[in-house]
Order: sequence, then structure tokens, then C-alpha cells
Amino acid sequence: AQSVTQLDSHVSVSEGTPVLLRCNYSSSYSPSLFWYVQHPNKGLQLLLKYTSAATLVKGINGFEAEFKKSETSFHLTKPSAHMSDAAEYFCVVSDPGGNNRLAFGKGNQVVVIP
Amino acid sequence: EAGVTQFPSHSVIEKGQTVTLRCDPISGHDNLYWYRRVMGKEIKFLLHFVKESKQDESGMPNNRFLAERTGGTYSTLKVQPAELEDSGVYFCASSQAGAAFFGQGTRLTVV
Repeated sequence: AQSVTQLDSHVSVSEGTPVLLRCNYSSSYSPSLFWYVQHPNKGLQLLLKYTSAATLVKGINGFEAEFKKSETSFHLTKPSAHMSDAAEYFCVVSDPGGNNRLAFGKGNQVVVIP
Repeated sequence: EAGVTQFPSHSVIEKGQTVTLRCDPISGHDNLYWYRRVMGKEIKFLLHFVKESKQDESGMPNNRFLAERTGGTYSTLKVQPAELEDSGVYFCASSQAGAAFFGQGTRLTVV
């Protein structure tokens, strides 16, 4: 069974400083990994995905994530936080052998301080 | 192209009543998923349709929950009778060969 660990349920960053959200996963297969974002009163939006191609994945809004198999990690980063980045971020793993069923982390609530 | 849409966006019902949630997936997507987030917990899988067939319903909490996807298009999730612990946000997602696209969710409050 696959699972995802996201520590730090609440993360505060100052506007203009880097954002780092950590994600570690466990999976029995070669997983697909995703980051989704949920802004207030909105649905879950796909930020980026890793599906066994390049290990450094670039997503929307300046975010990127690096897949490190040896560390079973898929941390999300952005060089400079913007006020509009305030949202909840979910790291998600999908096992192709599990009918692409998604397993979610608990989420990181990001607050951007002006 | 329309995304995944869910109705209603909010629902407040009394314990013991019945509620039906609807999900319209992206046109042409064979896979349809239901997920739920109970307050303070992570988003959990409920079930997965491939076209009109239930591929995996191992996440359904109990027999008060019934999901259907007649004709392989939209899906409904009925809770009957609703209990207090059913409160949460119910998400629907659809996919074809790639990443899943999510709807905005239905916030269900059982009082």
C-alpha cells in the first residue's frame, strides 16, 4: 500500500523568500507523484506531476519538485513566494498497479507574510 | 473545455435525512473517483468507476453510502441515512490516461 508523509501542517513564509514543502512517500511500485494545490473556496488544482521521466519537474506558478528515489522524497520548491501562493498543498502518490488510486498527504497550509 | 463539476457546492441536512451528491466528469474520461475529507483529516479514497462499472469500492465507509454511474457519464453518491460523522468535503475526480482532475467539492454538514 502506498502512503505519503507531509510534516508541518502549517508553514509560514515571507513574501519574496523561498518556499520548501517536504514530502516523503512509500510505495510498492514505481509510483507517479503529484502536487495539488487548493486555494480558498476552490477545487484541487494540479501543480505538477512526476511519471518516471525527468526527475526535476516544473509546474505552474513557478513551482518545481525533484523526485529522489534513494530518499523516497518529492519536495516542492519555489524560489520566491508570492501572496497568491497562500493555499493548502497536497503531495499525492498513485500506484499504477492500484488502479491509479490516489493516496494523499495531510496537506501543508501555507501562509505568506507580507 | 468544462472541468469536473459537482452539485451542490454546500448541503446542510439533519441526521437521518438523505442526501445525493452529483459529479459530472470531464467528457470522455472513463475513470471517475470519489474522495472525502473529514474535518482535520487527510483526503481519503472512497471508490473508483471505470465507465459504469465499480472498479474499487474498498474505501466506502459503510452501506449507508451508495454510488452509481449510470451510462458511464455522471455519477451520484447517496448517503442514507446521514449521520453526524458523514460531515466533510466530498471530492470527485476524473481521468483518462493521465493525472486526475478534481471538482470543487461538496461540503456536507450533518446536524
